[in-house]
Amino acid sequence: QQPVQSPQAVILREGEDAVINCSSSKALYSVHWYRQKHGEAPVFLMILLKGGEQKGHEKISASFNEKKQQSSLYLTASQLSYSGTYFCGTSFSGGYNKLIFGAGTRLAVHP
Amino acid sequence: DSGVTQTPKHLITATGQRVTLRCSPRSGDLSVYWYQQSLDQGLQFLIQYYNGEERAKGNILERFSAQQFPDLHSELNLSSLELGDSALYFCASSVTGRGGYNEQFFGPGTRLTVL
Repeated sequence: QQPVQSPQAVILREGEDAVINCSSSKALYSVHWYRQKHGEAPVFLMILLKGGEQKGHEKISASFNEKKQQSSLYLTASQLSYSGTYFCGTSFSGGYNKLIFGAGTRLAVHP
Repeated sequence: DSGVTQTPKHLITATGQRVTLRCSPRSGDLSVYWYQQSLDQGLQFLIQYYNGEERAKGNILERFSAQQFPDLHSELNLSSLELGDSALYFCASSVTGRGGYNEQFFGPGTRLTVL
């Protein structure tokens, strides 16, 4: 039931764009996105909920295709600070329900 | 700073020993989640508590146990430690117990090394 993230790793130059995908084999209630820098705690970026509600940072762009059980995180005009590992976490219901995290996508932004 | 605190920051112990990891959630948050992250791996959900009661369980080993106290802080107890238990252990908190609806705020983690 672990969501599948792609790509596994991305290398960018500053200013370039990237898309990180997260897909599930099971119908989803929500998709959560977090960024983690090496040795640090994951930091919340965004939640996309079934029905279209979104919560998170204004500068972060993401989509959630409920029919395909897929979410994409869009990183545009990348900055050095975007470097880190991006995790998606999926939930199958809105109640007392755990998040199942993907294996992560490593993003490195170079000058 | 997420507002979630975890102690200790680092823990080095021997196989067969028992340790306790402590977590204090953000002010106002009622739910606590525990995750294990092995070297360069993803986040594995262990267990969730909401207002003192267990609400969701992941693949938590029988050697591991947790509880949430009336003041809402939580402890994760790891016993009969094995080398493979070496990992970063994160605690996260959220306002409600609805793990799929609310954002979770992660603490800085406890790095456990079993020798």
